[in-house]
Amino acid sequence: KAGVTQTPRYLIKTRGQQVTLSCSPISGHRSVSWYQQTPGQGLQFLFEYFSETQRNKGNFPGRFSGRQFSNSRSEMNVSTLELGDSALYLCASSLLGGAAVDTQYFGPGTRLTVL
Amino acid sequence: SQQGEEDPQALSIQEGENATMNCSYKTSINNLQWYRQNSGRGLVHLILIRSNEREKHSGRLRVTLDTSKKSSSLLITASRAADTASYFCATDALNNAGNMLTFGGGTRLMVKP
Repeated sequence: KAGVTQTPRYLIKTRGQQVTLSCSPISGHRSVSWYQQTPGQGLQFLFEYFSETQRNKGNFPGRFSGRQFSNSRSEMNVSTLELGDSALYLCASSLLGGAAVDTQYFGPGTRLTVL
Repeated sequence: SQQGEEDPQALSIQEGENATMNCSYKTSINNLQWYRQNSGRGLVHLILIRSNEREKHSGRLRVTLDTSKKSSSLLITASRAADTASYFCATDALNNAGNMLTFGGGTRLMVKP
């Protein structure tokens, strides 16, 4: 099976713009989670989608949003970009989500730079 | 916010030596997972240990879990230069409805040839 794919891999935006990142999970996986990785804050959970519904949400402002489509593909959107949003955004998928032995498989990430 | 700390933050060893990394966490968990990350790339899943397990092996990896101390360790035996990477522990908190991993700060491992 193909792994988790994320597009684009690299992105440069300016402050105030908005951005949409895409994630295609492993075939058959229904749970998609998003994480932000920065040198200062490390890896932080953004949100999780399961069957097109947001099931968990991390402690991020409302500028960060996401959605999941019926084929389990997910997008996340960041509006009104700030310099501090520069980060590696990682997407992870798992088969069911929430089971005690459900492994999350990560994609290669999208490197977002805000100028 | 991060669940806990990893220790050490950085580790440099010679090829063939063993590497031990420790992770502490704060809340009760369903499971704890270890991941590897090469130079700003995606995370590679290494091993998952359930809260009712105390030790698990996978190839050259050995993971222990002590829920009474809220701590885990990852041992890499007979290290290779290709093991150079950052290693993260991640916990899935008890009663989480769904997936919501909380990561430690990571240990940067350098294995010198």
